[in-house]
Amino acid sequence: QVQLVESGGGVVQPGRSVRLSCAASGFTFSRYGMVWVRQAPGKGLEWVAFIWYDGSDEYYADSVKGRFTISRDNSKNTLYLQMNSLRVDDTALYYCARETWVDTAVAFDSWGQGILVTVSS
Amino acid sequence: EIVLTQSPGTLSLSPGERAALFCRTSETVRSNSLAWYQQKPGQAPRLLMYGASGRATGIPDRFSGSGSGTDFTLTISRLEPEDFAVYYCQQYGDSRWTFGQGTKVEIK
Repeated sequence: QVQLVESGGGVVQPGRSVRLSCAASGFTFSRYGMVWVRQAPGKGLEWVAFIWYDGSDEYYADSVKGRFTISRDNSKNTLYLQMNSLRVDDTALYYCARETWVDTAVAFDSWGQGILVTVSS
Repeated sequence: EIVLTQSPGTLSLSPGERAALFCRTSETVRSNSLAWYQQKPGQAPRLLMYGASGRATGIPDRFSGSGSGTDFTLTISRLEPEDFAVYYCQQYGDSRWTFGQGTKVEIK
């Protein structure tokens, strides 16, 4: 079955960097767009970034544009999120998820369990 | 940027009752861009509905979605104990995705 496993989180100081990884299995990773979604403690969901199935294009939320970079290695079935210039308000549980299309409808049909990133001095 | 407003913020109901959750968008959106998710404490979100009214794989038929334009509804016909959770609507457009703030369905 589809499995997404995030790693790379932890405690990091403001202004520093961290890279998250998401290992995918159980499906043909190279055929799907992928996203990162985050959830601050006790808050709702916020879409962070999207990458096309072949890595040819990326989209970002305004809150992270210019600081975060989404990428993928289809040979390793792995999605990444490079997070630079981290701020305290980037503290959140970060989920990777698979984008799927059913006819003309789009949604995120599979999610990892999330990885916590805490930005604190 | 399209804003999604969910109501009510909290819905207090008993098992067996009907739940109606609302999602209003700040602009008219295509129905095929609207999805609903369920999230239980300590768990990742789970896709319930896509395209406003399509049930995702494995979702029981007590869940239904409707709506168009700016107003969308998720209905749970008879609440089961496992349905008490937070529900989010989501919209896709202009290369970005937006979530509503969530509706918590709690046991009365």
